[in-house]
Amino acid sequence: DQQVKQNSPSLSVQEGRISILNCDYTNSMFDYFLWYKKYPAEGPTFLISISSIKDKNEDGRFTVFLNKSAKHLSLHIVPSQPGDSAVYFCAATAPTGANSKLTFGKGITLSVRP
Amino acid sequence: GAGVSQSPSNKVTEKGKDVELRCDPISGHTALYWYRQSLGQGLEFLIYFQGNSAPDKSGLPSDRFSAERTGGSVSTLTIQRTQQEDSAVYLCASSSLGQGLTEAFFGQGTRLTVV
Repeated sequence: DQQVKQNSPSLSVQEGRISILNCDYTNSMFDYFLWYKKYPAEGPTFLISISSIKDKNEDGRFTVFLNKSAKHLSLHIVPSQPGDSAVYFCAATAPTGANSKLTFGKGITLSVRP
Repeated sequence: GAGVSQSPSNKVTEKGKDVELRCDPISGHTALYWYRQSLGQGLEFLIYFQGNSAPDKSGLPSDRFSAERTGGSVSTLTIQRTQQEDSAVYLCASSSLGQGLTEAFFGQGTRLTVV
């Protein structure tokens, strides 16, 4: 039962354009969402997060949007840079109980073409 | 160091042998996770320790897998009678839930190869 879904396995964009990475979740108990970035041979690193009380969080070139009614979030990277090429994981959690562990999607491989 | 430390970084073992993987979390972090990533796959949850609560073992793939966390700090993941399908990168992460939800910090991982 995949509670966090990243349905597109890969995305390729031109340098300077916008990258939009999508994520859907099924568990209505989730109320905190995170994006991680992973380079080959390294552990994932935290990128940006959003609480369910917000619908947008921005940090430099990275913005995460949350649509609670649709159980959907997206990560926007603009402008995209070649160094952004990596695997991006969406994750979700809830503050207590059985849902408090981080649940990850399968990841999206982003390639930014120079 | 200030980050999550995992050892060894690489491990090659013969099928049927037991292996132990170690994780040193960030000091003071109450939550500790083990995940694994097989070739071409996403992050597969294995086990989650949170403070003094009973660990969430729901992700362990078989009874050959076990993990413990001593003194609320260091954790070891043990795989008994390793099989080739156990080959993967095993990732440990820790986080602090003491003041609300925060992000988890990952180690570099242990690449396990079963031959």
